[in-house]
Amino acid sequence: EPEVTQTPSHQVTQMGQEVILRCVPISNHLYFYWYRQILGQKVEFLVSFYNNEISEKSEIFDDQFSVERPDGSNFTLKIRSTKLEDSAMYFCASSAGASSGNTIYFGEGSWLTVV
Amino acid sequence: GEDVEQSLFLSVREGDSSVINCTYTDSSSTYLYWYKQEPGAGLQLLTYIFSNMDMKQDQRLTVLLNKKDKHLSLRIADTQTGDSAIYFCAESYTGGFKTIFGAGTRLFVKA
Repeated sequence: EPEVTQTPSHQVTQMGQEVILRCVPISNHLYFYWYRQILGQKVEFLVSFYNNEISEKSEIFDDQFSVERPDGSNFTLKIRSTKLEDSAMYFCASSAGASSGNTIYFGEGSWLTVV
Repeated sequence: GEDVEQSLFLSVREGDSSVINCTYTDSSSTYLYWYKQEPGAGLQLLTYIFSNMDMKQDQRLTVLLNKKDKHLSLRIADTQTGDSAIYFCAESYTGGFKTIFGAGTRLFVKA
């Protein structure tokens, strides 16, 4: 069964450093997402991406964050200057859209620890 | 604004049925989902239901939707220890780009 893959699975970084989280969405999907989950808390929407541009973003997704689809298969989340409160599990997701019930399929997550 | 509420914990005995409840506020919700998260793992889609349905059954899972009360439930028949996990209720709507999640219900299954 096709799946969303994410790398790295774990990353520890120093405060102020840049981090890039990588994702390979399901190949025929058109919508791409990043969510995050701070330990023990809700899964929070960060950003959605469609047709090579951001379609929606949350208040969390400030100027420190950016997304890119550099080629036909990868989808990346960059955090420019990490803060302690960015420590969380970051989930990439993709969907085919309304034709499949808007169903979002998630990757296994990238656990980011900022020290 | 959109919000999804769930109770935080549920404890059942192995073999019993589990019922996890969820309420949502967005009346324009078109799709409602249940995801399962095991410790340290990602979110696994269990099932989803369109808002024009009131019930969906998939093996041991039964989803009930009361659109008038904006109430969604997930029933797991013959609950097993392997069902112990966090269950997230979520909603989205046609034309929307995001899915809103509840805080998750932690299901404990006692042997």
